[in-house]
Amino acid sequence: GAGVSQTPSNKVTEKGKYVELRCDPISGHTALYWYRQSLGQGPEFLIYFQGTGAADDSGLPNDRFFAVRPEGSVSTLKIQRTERGDSAVYLCASSRTAGAPYNEQFFGPGTRLTVL
Amino acid sequence: AQSVTQLGSHVSVSEGALVLLRCNYSSSVPPYLFWYVQYPNQGLQLLLKYTSAATLVKGINGFEAEFKKSETSFHLTKPSAHMSDAAEYFCAVRGATGANSKLTFGKGITLSVRP
Repeated sequence: GAGVSQTPSNKVTEKGKYVELRCDPISGHTALYWYRQSLGQGPEFLIYFQGTGAADDSGLPNDRFFAVRPEGSVSTLKIQRTERGDSAVYLCASSRTAGAPYNEQFFGPGTRLTVL
Repeated sequence: AQSVTQLGSHVSVSEGALVLLRCNYSSSVPPYLFWYVQYPNQGLQLLLKYTSAATLVKGINGFEAEFKKSETSFHLTKPSAHMSDAAEYFCAVRGATGANSKLTFGKGITLSVRP
């Protein structure tokens, strides 16, 4: 079956612009996660959804970052007034449920965001 | 809170040699531990996971890891390296349910395999 997909694969924008990054999880997966991976670092947690609601958004760096998952499937990560420091690879992952901690999180290929 | 430490950023081995990638964890609750691999221009792929069922965990591609509570370690090993093992490897820890559901990753180790 299809894995986690993310669009676009690459996004180049200018400082101060608004961007949206999209994630399509594996069908039937109720938990969805966003991570950010900067160069030379491991992925860092941003936010996760259980169904439509954000169960933990403690990783969002500031109020310029926002994510939604209105129908419990596709999610969009929104970044306002982008800064050069936002440049990174944004990863999305999904799993069957967040309630079983040993459930595998399946990762998408990521969106590489470059802020000029 | 949970955290993992991966010492060193780069490991180089000869083809056929033992691979040892170190991971130490810190957790206030019984941890769930994972190793992920990231091949160039690909997404993260799960190699193996520790879920308390057995301390020695076998994963894909001949990798295994041993959970040692006394040493707070979960080192990844493979008896004989292949060229195709060249990639970046991440150790990650996860707590129980709810607010602890996120994965916390180490910085990663780049594995190079020399012919």
